[in-house]
Amino acid sequence: KAGVTQTPRYLIKTRGQQVTLSCSPISGHRSVSWYQQTPGQGLQFLFEYFSETQRNKGNFPGRFSGRQFSNSRSEMNVSTLELGDSALYLCASSPGSGISSGNTIYFGEGSWLTVV
Amino acid sequence: EDKVVQSPLSLVVHEGDTVTLNCSYEVTNFRSLLWYKQEKKAPTFLFMLTSSGIEKKSGRLSSILDKKELFSILNITATQTGDSAVYLCAVYNTDKLIFGTGTRLQVFP
Repeated sequence: KAGVTQTPRYLIKTRGQQVTLSCSPISGHRSVSWYQQTPGQGLQFLFEYFSETQRNKGNFPGRFSGRQFSNSRSEMNVSTLELGDSALYLCASSPGSGISSGNTIYFGEGSWLTVV
Repeated sequence: EDKVVQSPLSLVVHEGDTVTLNCSYEVTNFRSLLWYKQEKKAPTFLFMLTSSGIEKKSGRLSSILDKKELFSILNITATQTGDSAVYLCAVYNTDKLIFGTGTRLQVFP
């Protein structure tokens, strides 16, 4: 079974631009969550989607948004990029109705975003 | 504010040593605690703990949760160089996973 797939793996953007990251969950998983990982803050929860609906959102500004499609694939978008948005963005998927039902989450290898 | 604290931040050992990694938490509406291993790629799942006092084992790794004292430990016996990684602890409440900053373990031959 293929794991969680994230694209692109590496990208460089300039301040003020926007970026869209994509995530394909493990086949059959309907819950997708996103995390930002930086050396200073560690792993921080961005948002979680289940059946195309956002279930929870972390403490990030409105520039960070996401969506989930009917095939469970998910995208996250960051608008008006700032230098501090440079990070590893990790997507994770979970079976059933997600971690809220006692299921664990499985991470993709992440998208490395550098903002210059 | 919900928080998860891991200690030590960093650990250097020799192959064959036994290590204990600590994770303490202050989280409202605790549901479960998870351990992950992260090398230079995706965090990989190790354990999920929901009940106090029940040890989970996988090979040389084991973990236990104490919900009264609000902590968990991850033990690794007979360490190998392949155990070198960052070990992440995360607590799930009813909304989200809250991660600690991790313990970096380096195992030298």
